[in-house]
Amino acid sequence: DTGVSQDPRHKITKRGQNVTFRCDPISEHNRLYWYRQTLGQGPEFLTYFQNEAQLEKSRLLSDRFSAERPKGSFSTLEIQRTEQGDSAMYLCASSLASGVERQETQYFGPGTRLLVL
Amino acid sequence: AQSVAQPEDQVNVAEGNPLTVKCTYSVSGNPYLFWYVQYPNRGLQFLLKYITGDNLVKGSYGFEAEFNKSQTSFHLKKPSALVSDSALYFCAVRDRRTGGSYIPTFGRGTSLIVHP
Repeated sequence: DTGVSQDPRHKITKRGQNVTFRCDPISEHNRLYWYRQTLGQGPEFLTYFQNEAQLEKSRLLSDRFSAERPKGSFSTLEIQRTEQGDSAMYLCASSLASGVERQETQYFGPGTRLLVL
Repeated sequence: AQSVAQPEDQVNVAEGNPLTVKCTYSVSGNPYLFWYVQYPNRGLQFLLKYITGDNLVKGSYGFEAEFNKSQTSFHLKKPSALVSDSALYFCAVRDRRTGGSYIPTFGRGTSLIVHP
């Protein structure tokens, strides 16, 4: 399968613990996005990378959240000191685009469902 | 600022009948518009997008959408619904204006239920 993959698919953790999610984009895709989706809502933007550079972060991304994309390939999203409000589906998407392009299609992974007890 | 409205939380249609899922948008400039479908416990799958040109866009699985600039709408349509079309549908908009955000804004989604 050459699509976007995410690991793990499900994560249950206790409040206060740290969690890390991984996203492997489609090979050669230079943009990578992280979104959060809660029940009854559309995806809400968290952050995005163009190659290894993190170019934009949402106000939703508190200082407990950090994302990296070393070498411009896979990405990790870490949540420190998890709270029950962090329970959501975390979606990763990738795309291939030039520097100023906005028309490119994003391809989504299956998501990581986080439950914080 | 950009926004998307999907006015119906749920659309019910009988199998074989035409379906429409509504979407209206707001952007400062001109839009790029997208439709995605999401099946339970899955990520979003791309259906179609409007960039420029013909207002009627054809996409995957027999879906199409019509861009209407005067009504700022981009409704998703299919001539004959299948039970397997039952899923969540999301509309998204991006402002094509230089200097605007690269980030698309998604609607809240519409649940499509196709009855046998």
